[in-house]
Amino acid sequence: DTVLTQSPALAVSPGERVTISCRASESVSTGMHWYQQKPGQQPKLLIYGASNLESGVPARFSGSGSGTDFTLTIDPVEADDTATYFCQQSWNDLTFGSGTKLEIK
Amino acid sequence: QVQLKESGPGLVQPSQTLSLTCTVSGFSLSSYGVIWVRQPPGKGLEWMGVIWGNGNTNYNSALKSRLSISRDTSKSQVYLKMNSLQTEDTATYYCARIRDGTYYYFDYWGQGVMVTVSS
Repeated sequence: DTVLTQSPALAVSPGERVTISCRASESVSTGMHWYQQKPGQQPKLLIYGASNLESGVPARFSGSGSGTDFTLTIDPVEADDTATYFCQQSWNDLTFGSGTKLEIK
Repeated sequence: QVQLKESGPGLVQPSQTLSLTCTVSGFSLSSYGVIWVRQPPGKGLEWMGVIWGNGNTNYNSALKSRLSISRDTSKSQVYLKMNSLQTEDTATYYCARIRDGTYYYFDYWGQGVMVTVSS
């Protein structure tokens, strides 16, 4: 299985730029997608195909990367962005990352 | 608009069978696949199985021996059945619509149903 590795937690202040990383154990081309999950809610699709912004998602969110290294960027961060962010790949079967919990100070 | 809603028992006894229903609206199950994903309390997401628009299914190898996914397109419902439940199956269970093409991802999710396995 392709393992997706994410850092467990980050803390930033409102207005700052934050990058959340996801590293795949083998190449997934651009088949990487990002979700936001706020406490008590279901996941929400943010980015698909590594860099495509889902309709209705603020342009503060962006994604980049290909192969094994991917990044979700939020710029600028707002207090409402407090959530856990998951990456997911579908190039080699299907796996989710363990999630990065983002705290806004 | 597109909606998915999970339903089922909140409490299941160990060794029993879990039956969940995902009722969808705003799209056709003949045109879109649906995935079941679960999340133990405080933990990450685990995909369980998929039923595609053509009715084919794929299962997570870790659950395959216990899991069955089916659908009734006339009722716009997808079903999950998993047997031999244990306490580690306690989780929130989600269904989500699959958007597929070059790769696939999940664009609409249900609110989830919490299932506790306990005697």
